[in-house]
Amino acid sequence: EVQLVESGGGLIQPGGSLRLSCAASEITVSEAYMNWVRQAPGKGLEWVALIDSGGGTDYADSVRGRFTLSRDKSKNTVYLQMNNLRVEDTAVYFCARDVLGAAAAEVAFDSWGQGTLVTVSS
Amino acid sequence: AIQMTQSPSSLSASVGDTVTITCRASEGVTDDLGWYQQKPGKAPKLLIYAASTLQSGVPSRFSGSGSGTDFALSISSLQPEDFATYYCLQDYNRPYTFGQGTKLEIK
Repeated sequence: EVQLVESGGGLIQPGGSLRLSCAASEITVSEAYMNWVRQAPGKGLEWVALIDSGGGTDYADSVRGRFTLSRDKSKNTVYLQMNNLRVEDTAVYFCARDVLGAAAAEVAFDSWGQGTLVTVSS
Repeated sequence: AIQMTQSPSSLSASVGDTVTITCRASEGVTDDLGWYQQKPGKAPKLLIYAASTLQSGVPSRFSGSGSGTDFALSISSLQPEDFATYYCLQDYNRPYTFGQGTKLEIK
């Protein structure tokens, strides 16, 4: 069974930086399409970013230029570097695996972590 | 970005009922649409992808339909564990966008 474990969340002041981690087991992150989805307190879901098996990345407009995805093959971990954080970035951040990946045009986020809470506040 | 509008925003039903939640896209997304269930404090769970393909392990009382701009998630013979919030997600193009959610509550 695929397991994804996020970490790195916490309380940070506006303008600060945090790095979130998503450690995976039973899959190889360098061969997977890995996404981040966030959920502000009491609100709905928002797709944030994707890193594909080729290392290509894409971001929501709301975070483009501030957030950066990377991965470490040796640690089987995906990272979300978040810079210049804003109050509106406050949310639980989930990592999710797209099981279809390059095999299909569609997307299916079949495996999710438990989430890590990021609170941006002065 | 493509906007996804779900209706209703909330819904009350009883165990054993059949309910339908709809999702409308602001432009055509072919069949690139999924449905997710989320319970309080938990990660979302994939129910349906490609508009009508049931994810492995998901009960057959869940079904999805639609293409283009209009989609539906139907749940027949509601069970106590089905009371949750449901989201649609278009993956036709990025940024992927979710509907605002439909909260299904016990009547």
